[in-house]
Amino acid sequence: EPEVTQTPSHQVTQMGQEVILRCVPISNHLYFYWYRQILGQKVEFLVSFYNNEISEKSEIFDDQFSVERPDGSNFTLKIRSTKLEDSAMYFCASSERGGQGAREQYFGPGTRLTVT
Amino acid sequence: AQTVTQSQPEMSVQEAETVTLSCTYDTSESDYYLFWYKQPPSRQMILVIRQEAYKQQNATENRFSVNFQKAAKSFSLKISDSQLGDAAMYFCAYRNLMNRDDKIIFGKGTRLHILP
Repeated sequence: EPEVTQTPSHQVTQMGQEVILRCVPISNHLYFYWYRQILGQKVEFLVSFYNNEISEKSEIFDDQFSVERPDGSNFTLKIRSTKLEDSAMYFCASSERGGQGAREQYFGPGTRLTVT
Repeated sequence: AQTVTQSQPEMSVQEAETVTLSCTYDTSESDYYLFWYKQPPSRQMILVIRQEAYKQQNATENRFSVNFQKAAKSFSLKISDSQLGDAAMYFCAYRNLMNRDDKIIFGKGTRLHILP
């Protein structure tokens, strides 16, 4: 069964450093998402992406964050200058359709980001 | 704005017994999906069950079933014949369908303990 994959599974970085989290969505999916879960808290939406542009972003997704689909398979989340409060589990998700035609989003296994 | 509320931070159930997890939500939309996701200690998000709001029949997946009360905006999850592998965090979630806003909104979760 096709699945969303994410790399790395765990990333440790120093405050102020740039990190790139990588995701490979399911191959025929067109809608892509990033969510974040700070330890012990609920999962929060960050950004949705379709047709090579951001569809929607939350207030968490400030100028430090960016997303990109550099080729036909990868979907990346970049944090330009990490802060301690960016430590969280980051989930990538993809969906075959969005909006009215949408069904479930398929989540990847997550990348645990630790900022020291 | 849509919200999802899970009022039970933790629950325990004896193995082989039945447990019900509660969820309420708030929306002004008429068409949407509701989900229950399971998050085991590995922290991966696993879809347990999905309910389309336009369907009156409650969704069922093996030992998992929901009680969907649209007028009351209630969406509870019943787990029958609880097994040790059911121990996890369970998130109730909502997804709008009528426009481009198709992000998933999660509740804070209920941690389920299975007692042997």
